[in-house]
Amino acid sequence: AQTVTQSQPEMSVQEAETVTLSCTYDTSESDYYLFWYKQPPSRQMILVIRQEAYKQQNATENRFSVNFQKAAKSFSLKISDSQLGDAAMYFCAYRRAVYNNNDMRFGAGTRLTVKP
Amino acid sequence: DSGVTQTPKHLITATGQRVTLRCSPRSGDLSVYWYQQSLDQGLQFLIQYYNGEERAKGNILERFSAQQFPDLHSELNLSSLELGDSALYFCASSPARTRNPLHEQFFGPGTRLTVL
Repeated sequence: AQTVTQSQPEMSVQEAETVTLSCTYDTSESDYYLFWYKQPPSRQMILVIRQEAYKQQNATENRFSVNFQKAAKSFSLKISDSQLGDAAMYFCAYRRAVYNNNDMRFGAGTRLTVKP
Repeated sequence: DSGVTQTPKHLITATGQRVTLRCSPRSGDLSVYWYQQSLDQGLQFLIQYYNGEERAKGNILERFSAQQFPDLHSELNLSSLELGDSALYFCASSPARTRNPLHEQFFGPGTRLTVL
């Protein structure tokens, strides 16, 4: 079974600074997808960024980027120029690359606080 | 707004009771997923339906059941409720119509269930 581990229950960052959230996962499969979701106080799940395992290039979305280390099974999220609106729970998620059988496995989450 | 709707938003009930949560996927999405998020925890995958058929099962209790109807909406039935069933229940949908598995899951706003 695939497991996703987020070892940082809480993190804080100063506004405009950079923060990195850690995620490791365990799988025996070679093809899969990784995601970071943001859950603000509204509880809505918002996709932040995703990475295909077969791509070596790290995904980036504006101020958000990942450091994907496939051999180490590590998938960290870097938030640059942190903004107050980035404060939320962040969940790392794994999904198998199987046609029509692609449930997500989530980590326990990291609560990010942004200090003004 | 992801396009996935869930009703009701809030549900308060007593132990031993039975409730039904409803989800309408995005237009055209054939896959529906149910997740449970207990307090300050990550999302736990419960079950997936694709075009009316059960496709994958996660940590779903025998007291829980789900189905997907011909119009593709889905219902999650929770019976013999216990205090520990209090949680946020998310529905997600994905457009699994092609063989490209790179389809994100779109999450609904969730139903908050409180069992007293």
